[in-house]
Amino acid sequence: GIQVEQSPPDLILQEGANSTLRCNFSDSVNNLQWFHQNPWGQLINLFYIPSGTKQNGRLSATTVATERYSLLYISSSQTTDSGVYFCAVTTAGTALIFGKGTTLSVSS
Amino acid sequence: KAGVTQTPRYLIKTRGQQVTLSCSPISGHRSVSWYQQTPGQGLQFLFEYFSETQRNKGNFPGRFSGRQFSNSRSEMNVSTLELGDSALYLCASSVFGGTGGYTFGSGTRLTVV
Repeated sequence: GIQVEQSPPDLILQEGANSTLRCNFSDSVNNLQWFHQNPWGQLINLFYIPSGTKQNGRLSATTVATERYSLLYISSSQTTDSGVYFCAVTTAGTALIFGKGTTLSVSS
Repeated sequence: KAGVTQTPRYLIKTRGQQVTLSCSPISGHRSVSWYQQTPGQGLQFLFEYFSETQRNKGNFPGRFSGRQFSNSRSEMNVSTLELGDSALYLCASSVFGGTGGYTFGSGTRLTVV
């Protein structure tokens, strides 16, 4: 089955710094989403981005489907950005397949 | 617009018991899928339902089952609970099979003692 790899596994930043999280996938996908898991466990949808580029405030994402990767950019990070970021994909006939996540810690 | 509602939020059960978790999807969403999250295995797919039919099933033992009702609400059941079933169970809804993306509920945290 399809493999989803996220890097880096852990990221420690000072408030105000920028960061880039990467998601590589091993096969063609028809859906790609980025999620932020809050401290209570809920997965918050950041982007639905099977291809192209989207921006939402300080966050933006780019998916290059032909090269099988997606990037999540966080600019001017804040302590509230801390948590685990997941990339998840679907291929034809599958449900969401998740990567192992990137744990982001932002300190003031 | 109400989000995905999962009940209960927390559960403590004893080994050997059974448990039923509930998920109400976003109004108009007809697809519901379930995931298990544990520290060791990460987020794993359990099953997906659309219009009361199971479309997809993950690699879990038969003790894990689910169903979907005509109003799109879904339940999952775990019988003969084991300690390893302790996990966060997350439900997601979508219009159809992920079209437009999945929206997750807050989860049910199950502890088996």
